[in-house]
Amino acid sequence: AQSVAQPEDQVNVAEGNPLTVKCTYSVSGNPYLFWYVQYPNRGLQFLLKYITGDNLVKGSYGFEAEFNKSQTSFHLKKPSALVSDSALYFCAVRDIGSSASKIIFGSGTRLSIRP
Amino acid sequence: EAQVTQNPRYLITVTGKKLTVTCSQNMNHEYMSWYRQDPGLGLRQIYYSMNVEVTDKGDVPEGYKVSRKEKRNFPLILESPSPNQTSLYFCASSTFSGTGANEQFFGPGTRLTVL
Repeated sequence: AQSVAQPEDQVNVAEGNPLTVKCTYSVSGNPYLFWYVQYPNRGLQFLLKYITGDNLVKGSYGFEAEFNKSQTSFHLKKPSALVSDSALYFCAVRDIGSSASKIIFGSGTRLSIRP
Repeated sequence: EAQVTQNPRYLITVTGKKLTVTCSQNMNHEYMSWYRQDPGLGLRQIYYSMNVEVTDKGDVPEGYKVSRKEKRNFPLILESPSPNQTSLYFCASSTFSGTGANEQFFGPGTRLTVL
């Protein structure tokens, strides 16, 4: 069965410092991986995805994510955090094949950037 | 403007009173899905639809019904709501390729309280 884990409920970073939000996954085949961001009182917005190819994926707002197959991880990163990056971040995974339509989300990580 | 709309945005009801939350998308997406968001649990998929008249259960379908009679609409029906269905609900849509659902567009959410 597919699963996603976001081991940190909250990540606190000073503005200008690099940030990492962790995500690990489990699927039976090759994963499709996604990151979404949720600002207060809003729906989720797509940030980036990994399907195949380069392990480093670039997305919106300067975010990138690194796919690591051996560690089954897909950590979200940004070289220099902004206060406006403060939000709730979700990792999601879907399998291919018969489970391709089912999407599993992690529990979310609240990112707080202090000025 | 490409969007997913949900109505109502806020709803307070009583146990057992049937309700419907509507969802509509204007992007001609094949795939639509309903999620509920609860603190500490992230998003959990309730039902999804890969096209008109094609629906399937997600991880938490109990107590919910859906239908997909038109491509743009995917209503969520609670026949007999109970307090444990108090939650924040999101509808989402995406394209659907041969390998499955792609990145999703989310509606603004419906906050449901069942007394």
